[in-house]
Amino acid sequence: QVQLVESGGGVVQPGRSLRLSCAASGFTFSYYGMHWVRQAPGKGLEWVALIWSDGTSKFYADSVKGRFTISRDDSKNTLHLQMDSLRPEDTAVYYCTKGDSPRGGYSTPWGQGTQVTVSS
Amino acid sequence: EIVLTQSPGTLSLSPGERATLSCRASQSVRNNYLAWYQQKPGQAPRLLIYAASSRATGIPDRFSGSGSGTDFSLTISRLEPEDFAVYYCQQYGDSPATFGHGTKVEIK
Repeated sequence: QVQLVESGGGVVQPGRSLRLSCAASGFTFSYYGMHWVRQAPGKGLEWVALIWSDGTSKFYADSVKGRFTISRDDSKNTLHLQMDSLRPEDTAVYYCTKGDSPRGGYSTPWGQGTQVTVSS
Repeated sequence: EIVLTQSPGTLSLSPGERATLSCRASQSVRNNYLAWYQQKPGQAPRLLIYAASSRATGIPDRFSGSGSGTDFSLTISRLEPEDFAVYYCQQYGDSPATFGHGTKVEIK
């Protein structure tokens, strides 16, 4: 079955960097667009980034543009999110999700999430 | 970006009752690319409905979606105990994809 397992979260100081990874299995990873979505404590869902299946196009929420970079390694069925210049407001659970098409679309399924806490 | 407004914020109902959740978009959603997700405490969201009215694999038929353009709704025909959760709508027709703020369905 389709499985997404995030890793790389933790506690980091403001201004520092963190790299999240998402290991995918159970489907042809290279065919699908992939998303990152986050959820701040007690808050709703916020879409963060999308990468198309061929990696040629990447899209970001305005709140992370210029600081976060989404990438994929199809040889390892892995999605990444490089997060630089982290801010306290980036504190959230970060979910990796599989799109329904090469260019993204809706999200299904979702990983279990990885917690990122930005605090001094 | 398209803003999605969900109402009500909280819905207090009893098991067996019908729930109707609303999601209104600030502009027309392209191709009615509107999805609904369910999230229970401590869990990741789960897809219920996509393309406004198509039920995702394995979703019971008591869940149904309807609407087009800017007005959409999710209906749960008869609430089961496991349906008490938070529900989010999402438009994925335009970038950036956006979510509503959610409707909490709680036990009355």
